Amino acid sequence: QVQLVESGGGVVQPGRSLRLSCAASGFTFSRNAMHWVRQAPGKGLSWVAFISYRGDIQFYADSVKGRFTISRDSSKNTLYLDMSSLRPEDTAVYYCAREGTGEAFDSWGQGTLVTVST
Amino acid sequence: SYELTQPPSVSVSPGQTAIITCSGDALPKQYAYWYQQKPGQAPVLVIYKDSERPSGIPERFSGSTSGTTVTLTISGVQAEDEADYYCQSPDSSGTFWVFGGGTKLTV
Repeated sequence: QVQLVESGGGVVQPGRSLRLSCAASGFTFSRNAMHWVRQAPGKGLSWVAFISYRGDIQFYADSVKGRFTISRDSSKNTLYLDMSSLRPEDTAVYYCAREGTGEAFDSWGQGTLVTVST
Repeated sequence: SYELTQPPSVSVSPGQTAIITCSGDALPKQYAYWYQQKPGQAPVLVIYKDSERPSGIPERFSGSTSGTTVTLTISGVQAEDEADYYCQSPDSSGTFWVFGGGTKLTV
C-alpha cells in the first residue's frame, strides 16, 4: 500500500536552514506530482509547495517563496523540502502528500514537526 | 489572495445529517476536495472532484456544488465522524492550492 514517511524535523534557530525528506513506497513515485502541506500548532492546513511528476515544475505559497525549495529524487523515491531563513512562523507539522486520483491529495505522511525558536 | 470560507463549527446529534459548506470565487471553475482530520492524525481524503468518494469512504459522505459554494454532507452521522473537515481547491490559475479554515464537527 502507499506509504509516505517524513523525516528531518526538529528544533532550529531563526535564520537557520533545515531539510525535510519524504520517503515514498508502494507506488511508482515518478508518476505522481507531490506537495508539502503544513499545519501550525492548533491551526488549520496550509499548502506550502508543489512539484510535478517529472520535477521540472515547482510552485510555492507566497509565504515561503524564495526561502523554501521543493525537489525530488526518483532514483531514491524521495521528496525533499529545503527550508532556509527560517522564521518562528514556520513552526508547524509538515506533511508530504501525493497528488493522485482526480488531482486530490490522496495519500499523506504522518508529518514531521519543525520548531523554529531560540 | 484567494480564500475558501468554511463555518468554524457544526454540531449534530448521532443519526442526524451534518452539512458543511465551503465558499470560494474560483469554485465554479475548479474542483473541490474534502479532507477529514482527527486529533493527532494526518488528513484523510473523503471527497474528490466535488462529489466523488474514494474507495473505503462510507456512503454516508457525499459532496455537491452550486455556483461558488461546495457542500460536504454526512448523512446518519456517527460518533466516529467527529473531526475537523477541510475543503481544498486550486486557485483559478492552478498554480497554488488553498485550504479552507476548517470546520470542527461535534457529534
